[in-house]
Amino acid sequence: EVQLVQSGAEVKKPGESLRISCKGSGYSFTSYWISWVRQMPGKGLEWMGRIDPSDSYTNYSPSFQGHVTISADKSISTAYLQWSSLKASDTAMYYCARPRYSTSTYWYFDLWGRGTLVTVSS
Amino acid sequence: EIVMTQSPATLSVSPGERATLSCRASQSVSSNLAWYQQKPGQAPGLLIYGASTRATGIPARFSGSGSGTEFTLTISSLQSEDFAVYYCQQYNNWPPMYTFGQGTKLEIK
Repeated sequence: EVQLVQSGAEVKKPGESLRISCKGSGYSFTSYWISWVRQMPGKGLEWMGRIDPSDSYTNYSPSFQGHVTISADKSISTAYLQWSSLKASDTAMYYCARPRYSTSTYWYFDLWGRGTLVTVSS
Repeated sequence: EIVMTQSPATLSVSPGERATLSCRASQSVSSNLAWYQQKPGQAPGLLIYGASTRATGIPARFSGSGSGTEFTLTISSLQSEDFAVYYCQQYNNWPPMYTFGQGTKLEIK
């Protein structure tokens, strides 16, 4: 089965670091970019950035550049989203998503992970 | 950045009736427009791509239209399982980023 499996929910304090993961299976992980999408409580979807797992080349939304880091380990078919110093405003559900086609062109997402809920509270 | 604006924010419709949701882009995205459905506690799911092509397994009561800057998602006869939040997304490649609309919540009247 083709799927993206995300890591479990996290509860962190402001200032702490965090890395969440997204593991692809059932397909050639290095052939498809992986994107991360934020959904704050009760709000809409925001694209954060994407990574090409074959060479770890990244593109970021200007809104998230410098605030998060997207990385990947192709040997274990896993992409990551990480923060060095969390804020309360990082509280959100985070989804990873895969585009329909395996090119660098931006395509719609036809595969989504179930999401990782990150709660940042003192 | 291309801004996607959806209207209305909330739409109240009775089961069996037609629902029409709108999405406007701040500049042309050609037909590089997708619609997603999100139910509570679930990840979004692809409904429509290329502005008008239904994704695999999507019922024929869902249809998309438009190009350039104006797009519409129509649900011809609402079923109970269709009450959800709907998002449009552009993937036009220039500027090189995705943007979503803010969503339309379709609720039971």
